[in-house]
Amino acid sequence: DVKVTQSSRYLVKRTGEKVFLECVQDMDHENMFWYRQDPGLGLRLIYFSYDVKMKEKGDIPEGYSVSREKKERFSLILESASTNQTSMYLCASMGGGLNTEAFFGQGTRLTVV
Amino acid sequence: GENVEQHPSTLSVQEGDSAVIKCTYSDSASNYFPWYKQELGKRPQLIIDIRSNVGEKKDQRIAVTLNKTAKHFSLHITETQPEDSAVYFCAADSGNTPLVFGKGTRLSVIA
Repeated sequence: DVKVTQSSRYLVKRTGEKVFLECVQDMDHENMFWYRQDPGLGLRLIYFSYDVKMKEKGDIPEGYSVSREKKERFSLILESASTNQTSMYLCASMGGGLNTEAFFGQGTRLTVV
Repeated sequence: GENVEQHPSTLSVQEGDSAVIKCTYSDSASNYFPWYKQELGKRPQLIIDIRSNVGEKKDQRIAVTLNKTAKHFSLHITETQPEDSAVYFCAADSGNTPLVFGKGTRLSVIA
């Protein structure tokens, strides 16, 4: 059973803070993704990675960066958190080719005050 | 890039009735179309998918149809039950770029 685990379920941070969201998967998947989920906007792709140390921008990368130093871990970094980054963040992983099932983490609800 | 439109955004049905959610996509290279269900407070999970070499796929009460010419695909849920209440997302994937999701449909099944 694939497990994708996000480090926090809820986070409250102050404007301007540097925020790290961690995601770990245990199925040796090559592909990992960070999505942002907002009501009425669905799941929007922030960044993704096909392999260790590789990263690609998604549709809304502004204000975010990522790190993938190990295959199982994909981190999302908010360099200077702003209130418009208050959202639900979902990590996902996918093995093999891209035409396969995506497994999601439980989500991190981030509030920036 | 790929663009996926999903309708309706909300849907209410009586228990036992059918529900249909429709999606269109823009990239003719897309060849994989999964559907995810997200129950309240939980993570999205795959419920059914279809590839471009088939036109329809069924799994018990759920079915998905694909029309490649028109670039649209639909999710059909028959004999709806309260536990079908959730947000449903369609997605499209060409195999060369990540999944692109629709904006979601909130389905409410009224007992």
